[in-house]
Amino acid sequence: AQSVTQLGSHVSVSEGALVLLRCNYSSSVPPYLFWYVQYPNQGLQLLLKYTSAATLVKGINGFEAEFKKSETSFHLTKPSAHMSDAAEYFCAVSHGGSQGNLIFGKGTKLSVKP
Amino acid sequence: DSGVTQTPKHLITATGQRVTLRCSPRSGDLSVYWYQQSLDQGLQFLIQYYNGEERAKGNILERFSAQQFPDLHSELNLSSLELGDSALYFCASSVVGTGVETQYFGPGTRLLVL
Repeated sequence: AQSVTQLGSHVSVSEGALVLLRCNYSSSVPPYLFWYVQYPNQGLQLLLKYTSAATLVKGINGFEAEFKKSETSFHLTKPSAHMSDAAEYFCAVSHGGSQGNLIFGKGTKLSVKP
Repeated sequence: DSGVTQTPKHLITATGQRVTLRCSPRSGDLSVYWYQQSLDQGLQFLIQYYNGEERAKGNILERFSAQQFPDLHSELNLSSLELGDSALYFCASSVVGTGVETQYFGPGTRLLVL
């Protein structure tokens, strides 16, 4: 069975600091991995996804993530946080077959201090 | 704007009642997913449809049912409602419903059961 673990339900950084949100996955088949962002009172928006091409994936708004099979990780980073990055971030996994449902982690709420 | 629409935005009802949530996918998308987001369970997959046919089932209660119509819109029916059904219900759509695709999420329907 597939699962996703997001370490840290809350992360707080200062504006301009590095953002690092952690995600570890468990999957018996090669996974497809996603990061979504949810702003207050809104739906989820895709930041980036890994689909077995390049292991370093660049997404929107300056975010990127690196797939590390040996560590079963897919951590999300951004070199310099902006106030507008404050939101909840979800890591998700899919096994990539004809059943495309996502299995989500519990989410990490990012706060950005001025 | 993801192109996925959901109605209503908010719904307040009483225990024991029945409600219907509606979702219109992005133009051209054949697959629709329903997810439930609650504080205690997080984001959970409920059910997936592809071109009118059920494709995958997740943690969907027997009191809940869904369908996808010939025009590809989908409805999620929740009956014999309990307090614990209060949650945010998201619909997402993708082109053909495989796990490698991006899912586009609607803004959600917030259900409150009193």
